[in-house]
Amino acid sequence: KAGVTQTPRYLIKTRGQQVTLSCSPISGHRSVSWYQQTPGQGLQFLFEYFSETQRNKGNFPGRFSGRQFSNSRSEMNVSTLELGDSALYLCASSFGHTGGSDEQYFGPGTRLTVT
Amino acid sequence: AQSVTQLDSHVSVSEGTPVLLRCNYSSSYSPSLFWYVQHPNKGLQLLLKYTSAATLVKGINGFEAEFKKSETSFHLTKPSAHMSDAAEYFCVVSARNNDMRFGAGTRLTVKP
Repeated sequence: KAGVTQTPRYLIKTRGQQVTLSCSPISGHRSVSWYQQTPGQGLQFLFEYFSETQRNKGNFPGRFSGRQFSNSRSEMNVSTLELGDSALYLCASSFGHTGGSDEQYFGPGTRLTVT
Repeated sequence: AQSVTQLDSHVSVSEGTPVLLRCNYSSSYSPSLFWYVQHPNKGLQLLLKYTSAATLVKGINGFEAEFKKSETSFHLTKPSAHMSDAAEYFCVVSARNNDMRFGAGTRLTVKP
């Protein structure tokens, strides 16, 4: 079974631009979560999509948004990029069962550098 | 709200010696707990999870963790370290709505 894939793997953008990252989950998984990983803040939860609806949201500004398509693929968009948005963005997929025991499987990440 | 504290930011062991990575959790109810590993420039890989079944959980690559409610701990152990175990390890607590909170991570170094 193919794992979680993320594209692109590396991205360099300029301050003020916007960027779209893509995530394809494991076949059969209906939940996709996004995380930001930085050396200073560690791993922080951005949001979760389940069946095309945002189900959970972390504490990030509205510049960070996402969506999920009917095939469960998800995109994350960051508008008006800031230097502090430079990070590894990780996507994780799961079946989406509630109760806390849902196992998430992570993609390799997209390394975003903002200059 | 739930949270985890990884007590060591860096652990260094010699190859063939035991590994202990410490994690304490805080949760207002019986939590689900996970350990993930991240090798350089890679995504996170699930090592094991605890979901209120057996308190001693066995994972992949010889790792195991013991849930101790009285100590609110979920420490990760391995009897004998291998060079390939060098990586960053994350302890994670999950709420009922699957809101996962990650610890700050422990970097494991394995010396030959």
